[in-house]
Amino acid sequence: GAGVSQTPSNKVTEKGKYVELRCDPISGHTALYWYRQSLGQGPEFLIYFQGTGAADDSGLPNDRFFAVRPEGSVSTLKIQRTERGDSAVYLCASAFQGSGANVLTFGAGSRLTVL
Amino acid sequence: AQSVTQPDIHITVSEGASLELRCNYSYGATPYLFWYVQSPGQGLQLLLKYFSGDTLVQGIKGFEAEFKRSQSSFNLRKPSVHWSDAAEYFCAVGAHNYGQNFVFGPGTRLSVLP
Repeated sequence: GAGVSQTPSNKVTEKGKYVELRCDPISGHTALYWYRQSLGQGPEFLIYFQGTGAADDSGLPNDRFFAVRPEGSVSTLKIQRTERGDSAVYLCASAFQGSGANVLTFGAGSRLTVL
Repeated sequence: AQSVTQPDIHITVSEGASLELRCNYSYGATPYLFWYVQSPGQGLQLLLKYFSGDTLVQGIKGFEAEFKRSQSSFNLRKPSVHWSDAAEYFCAVGAHNYGQNFVFGPGTRLSVLP
């Protein structure tokens, strides 16, 4: 597609529920990133995919968070047993993995509210 | 690991005035440096980037930034601010390898007075 698409744009859930957030990257972009942005903060790195594999998942806060990218395109961020502290905007970005640095293109984000 | 600081949480300028947003980074090698802008309810948009070469880089919307290795800084500037520039600005640093992650600063919120 023309840009990075994230769904849903807004999700309200209850504490303890399971949530999935979807990211559809720009076609041809092999690198995909997930970030979390809390109110008044900068984006916080969660996980980076190169193709289908998670090249760096050091930012995932605990084992309730998991992300997949089974075919090297669409990615899903999964959060189990949600807690109120998980409330944030979850940003996805993709990049063309050429030589040198990646230039990230971001989606509009999925705002998660845990009640 | 790399890190980024943005000393100013909130800056207010008058429309037409000049602007400088500060960014300092910590990284052991020559970094890749970026400035992104985020308008309310919007995603992050790339303003400009520095990879190598000329230390003064031009970006979109009339913004520029200068890489100063000796000061570990990458300050963002604009000679004349427009009301539409009101937004949150984030500096970011990327590592020089493929297993990289981008680290963002905490952001500077810019308000523009008419």
